[in-house]
Amino acid sequence: AQRVTQPEKLLSVFKGAPVELKCNYSYSGSPELFWYVQYSRQRLQLLLRHISRESIKGFTADLNKGETSFHLKKPFAQEEDSAMYYCALRPQAGTALIFGKGTTLSVSS
Amino acid sequence: ETGVTQSPTHLIKTRGQQVTLRCSSQSGHNTVSWYQQALGQGPQFIFQYYREEENGRGNFPPRFSGLQFPNYSSELNVNALELDDSALYLCASSDSPLSREEKLFFGSGTQLSVL
Repeated sequence: AQRVTQPEKLLSVFKGAPVELKCNYSYSGSPELFWYVQYSRQRLQLLLRHISRESIKGFTADLNKGETSFHLKKPFAQEEDSAMYYCALRPQAGTALIFGKGTTLSVSS
Repeated sequence: ETGVTQSPTHLIKTRGQQVTLRCSSQSGHNTVSWYQQALGQGPQFIFQYYREEENGRGNFPPRFSGLQFPNYSSELNVNALELDDSALYLCASSDSPLSREEKLFFGSGTQLSVL
């Protein structure tokens, strides 16, 4: 079955420290992968998409097909990065997004 | 640009009752998807509507049904409510249904409690 696993429920780091939010998926084909973010008292919103190969708010994510991973990284965390982060998988066009359970990132000074 | 709006924000029902949740899509979007998010879980796909037709369905029983109207707003109906239906129900709109690049715009959700 297609699945997204985010092994950490909570990740706590200090401001300025590097951040890596882990995401592993189970799917044998070439999926499309996304990171969605929910800041406090805001709605869930798209952070970045694998297909766009973009860097948003200093975050990047690289698809590693060998390890079936799509980890989200930022070299220097900021307090405003504190939020809930969801990794999501779309196995192929015409299928729905499959979300992981999410990781709460807490950045403290 | 008007974002996705959902109503009501909170709802309390008893087991066996029926409920209707409403969603207005973002301006210019013709597709609405509904997700159920239980406590501590990620959103789970219920179904999607595109141009008033169901365009995909997740692993939910038939008592979960929906509608999309000509203005692309949508309703989610749940019959014979069960305790496990207690969750946050999210609506999301887009302009490219189920495409690989589909970008979802979410509403704030309706928190449903079934007692």
